[in-house]
Amino acid sequence: GAVVSQHPSRVICKSGTSVKIECRSLDFQATTMFWYRQFPKQSLMLMATSNEGSKATYEQGVEKDKFLINHASLTLSTLTVTSAHPEDSSFYICSAKGGANYGYTFGSGTRLTVV
Amino acid sequence: GQQLNQSPQSMFIQEGEDVSMNCTSSSIFNTWLWYKQDPGEGPVLLIALYKAGELTSNGRLTAQFGITRKDSFLNISASIPSDVGIYFCAGQLKEYGNKLVFGAGTILRVKS
Repeated sequence: GAVVSQHPSRVICKSGTSVKIECRSLDFQATTMFWYRQFPKQSLMLMATSNEGSKATYEQGVEKDKFLINHASLTLSTLTVTSAHPEDSSFYICSAKGGANYGYTFGSGTRLTVV
Repeated sequence: GQQLNQSPQSMFIQEGEDVSMNCTSSSIFNTWLWYKQDPGEGPVLLIALYKAGELTSNGRLTAQFGITRKDSFLNISASIPSDVGIYFCAGQLKEYGNKLVFGAGTILRVKS
């Protein structure tokens, strides 16, 4: 089955630093990747949609300069949280979708803690 | 934005009991998906539904895509302790392209 690998699973960083999270589709080509943020006991909130080779589309209220998304290949998308602050601490999850006959596969998530 | 109303919000049931949860919307969906999320993990797909009226099973799980395409339910029969987790419905709207809309989730706890 389709597998999406997300790294790191857990990261702690200092305020003001940047953190990069990787999302890879291991056995299929992901035409579209999605990045979500999830607060404790809440649902997934879509942050942005990225298509390979083009700029990401951000949801309303999500700062594109804060959350940089790069989808450089059909198997890799990265989310960089720039100048992180404690309020950016959250669980970030990526999802990848292949072509029309492929479903949505989620990564295992990244727990970001900014201290 | 579009919303999926998922209920119940949480359930605390006895092991062996059956579980039912559902999602409704005022919008028509092309696809309904049911996911389970364990603590600290990403959601894992349980069942995908693509056609109105479709009834699909996956082991002890059964889900149906409503005839009106505005709702779906998920049933779990003979619950076991490992069923504990958060269950999310998600739907795909044609006008939203590939984006999924998620329900708020149902927290399931099982007493053994």
